[in-house]
Amino acid sequence: DAGVIQSPRHEVTEMGQEVTLRCKPISGHNSLFWYRQTMMRGLELLIYFNNNVPIDDSGMPEDRFSAKMPNASFSTLKIQPSEPRDSAVYFCASGRQGNTEAFFGQGTRLTVV
Amino acid sequence: AQSVTQPDIHITVSEGASLELRCNYSYGATPYLFWYVQSPGQGLQLLLKYFSGDTLVQGIKGFEAEFKRSQSSFNLRKPSVHWSDAAEYFCAVGALGNTPLVFGKGTRLSVIA
Repeated sequence: DAGVIQSPRHEVTEMGQEVTLRCKPISGHNSLFWYRQTMMRGLELLIYFNNNVPIDDSGMPEDRFSAKMPNASFSTLKIQPSEPRDSAVYFCASGRQGNTEAFFGQGTRLTVV
Repeated sequence: AQSVTQPDIHITVSEGASLELRCNYSYGATPYLFWYVQSPGQGLQLLLKYFSGDTLVQGIKGFEAEFKRSQSSFNLRKPSVHWSDAAEYFCAVGALGNTPLVFGKGTRLSVIA
């Protein structure tokens, strides 16, 4: 079991650029969650999908943020345009049908300068 | 709405000493409770979980937690701390099914010789 795989692990970009974060959930899991971690706000849920369908995106901070899950094995979180305040660690997690437990990836550390 | 409070931002203990990390939750129904650990630069790893049954649950790395419904608490304990336990610890609450976990702000544990 490879676990949840996120790429890239680190991303440094200039303000105004588009950033795309990628996530491959654990095979067989049908829920996928995107969280953002900052010192000030801790772990915040951005959006989650069940069976590739977005269920709740109320945590997405602005229209600059968008997420997709085109199939059961891949999801992206895009920020366009990026701003310095988007600097954070972004985690993807996946879970199995009917099981509350979430399995986390290693995260992507995003720095916007 | 669900919420989790971890009252201690930072705790320092001596190696070999006992540890207790506090967690209080707010949830209308029967909660599903979790403790995760995050080492620097890493993702979150599940230590233990409580769904039902015995209120004292055992986890990995010698950790245990006790669910106390009357106090809305789920405190994490370890009888003898090792230097490798230094990390950030997160308590989380969830519900049955594919719904996202709500996390506390975390407690950073430092271990001194």
